[in-house]
Amino acid sequence: KAGVTQTPRYLIKTRGQQVTLSCSPISGHRSVSWYQQTPGQGLQFLFEYFSETQRNKGNFPGRFSGRQFSNSRSEMNVSTLELGDSALYLCASRPSPSGPNNEQFFGPGTRLTVL
Amino acid sequence: EDQVTQSPEALRLQEGESSSLNCSYTVSGLRGLFWYRQDPGKGPEFLFTLYSAGEEKEKERLKATLTKKESFLHITAPKPEDSATYLCAVQHSNSGYALNFGKGTSLLVTP
Repeated sequence: KAGVTQTPRYLIKTRGQQVTLSCSPISGHRSVSWYQQTPGQGLQFLFEYFSETQRNKGNFPGRFSGRQFSNSRSEMNVSTLELGDSALYLCASRPSPSGPNNEQFFGPGTRLTVL
Repeated sequence: EDQVTQSPEALRLQEGESSSLNCSYTVSGLRGLFWYRQDPGKGPEFLFTLYSAGEEKEKERLKATLTKKESFLHITAPKPEDSATYLCAVQHSNSGYALNFGKGTSLLVTP
């Protein structure tokens, strides 16, 4: 079974631009979560989507948004990029948000650098 | 405030030298505690889920245990390939099934 895939793997943007990252979950998984990882803050939860609906949201500004498509693929968007948005953005999938066996499986991440 | 604290931040072991990593948590309504391993430049790799105090799980040289306030990841006779960052995360009633991660323990095993 193929794992979680994320594209692109690396991205360089300048301040003020916007960026869209993509995630394809493991086949059969309908829940997709996004996390930001930085050296100072570690892994922080951004949001989770299930059945095309945002089910949960972390403590990030409105510049961070996402969506999920009917095939469970997800995208996240960051508008008006700031230097502090430089991070590894990780996507994780699981069959559903709750219930047994709901461990999340992570993709390799997208490394975003904002100049 | 809900918190997950891992210690030590970094650990250097000789090959074969067993040790334990700690994850302490102060959350309301623990739903699950998860251990992940992360290699440089890669996403976290799932290791274990623990749901209730007293539960233990093993995989090769790793054994995870859980009490009401903390979890331990015991590494027995580690090998250099066990070198990685080990992350602990909790799922609790205030997190809506999201994972609240600790900062991790960076483990280096030397030959």
